[in-house]
Amino acid sequence: DAGVIQSPRHEVTEMGQEVTLRCKPISGHNSLFWYRQTMMRGLELLIYFNNNVPIDDSGMPEDRFSAKMPNASFSTLKIQPSEPRDSAVYFCASSPQSQGTQPQHFGDGTRLSIL
Amino acid sequence: RKEVEQDPGPFNVPEGATVAFNCTYSNSASQSFFWYRQDCRKEPKLLMSVYSSGNEDGRFTAQLNRASQYISLLIRDSKLSDSATYLCVVNQAGTALIFGKGTTLSVSS
Repeated sequence: DAGVIQSPRHEVTEMGQEVTLRCKPISGHNSLFWYRQTMMRGLELLIYFNNNVPIDDSGMPEDRFSAKMPNASFSTLKIQPSEPRDSAVYFCASSPQSQGTQPQHFGDGTRLSIL
Repeated sequence: RKEVEQDPGPFNVPEGATVAFNCTYSNSASQSFFWYRQDCRKEPKLLMSVYSSGNEDGRFTAQLNRASQYISLLIRDSKLSDSATYLCVVNQAGTALIFGKGTTLSVSS
């Protein structure tokens, strides 16, 4: 079975550029989560969707960050304009439901470096 | 107070040792509890769920103390392959999972 698929695996770009991260959740999973991980702050939830609808975006750091889920099999996280402090590993995860009683399955992550 | 707190470690132990990790959570309404494992430069993966009565999976034992809002993970007979970061995870109903920053374990021969 295919797991959560993220792309790209690595992204290096200059500050000010737009960055788009992509995620395909596990088929049949209703909930999708975007996380950011850094050494200093650990794993932080940015936003999550339930049935393609954003439920909680309180973790999105600034208006420069936006996320969409146009259908059940695809989501994007966009940063525009990007800044060096956005450098981190961004994980997408999916779960059969968002109530938290089911564990989440993570993608391999996107390692983002903003120069 | 942070929602989920763990001793960051690192814990450095020899093969065969028994090691225990602790975790505390702040929200008494939390209902589900998990331990995840994360290898270096990899994604977090579910290690085991934590049940109220405590549960065991091979060399791994998880315990939950709701009164003290405390979760533990015990690893017996440590293997080199157990070297990783262990993340304590909790949630409340209707919310997403909340991850601790993790405890790093290094098992040496």
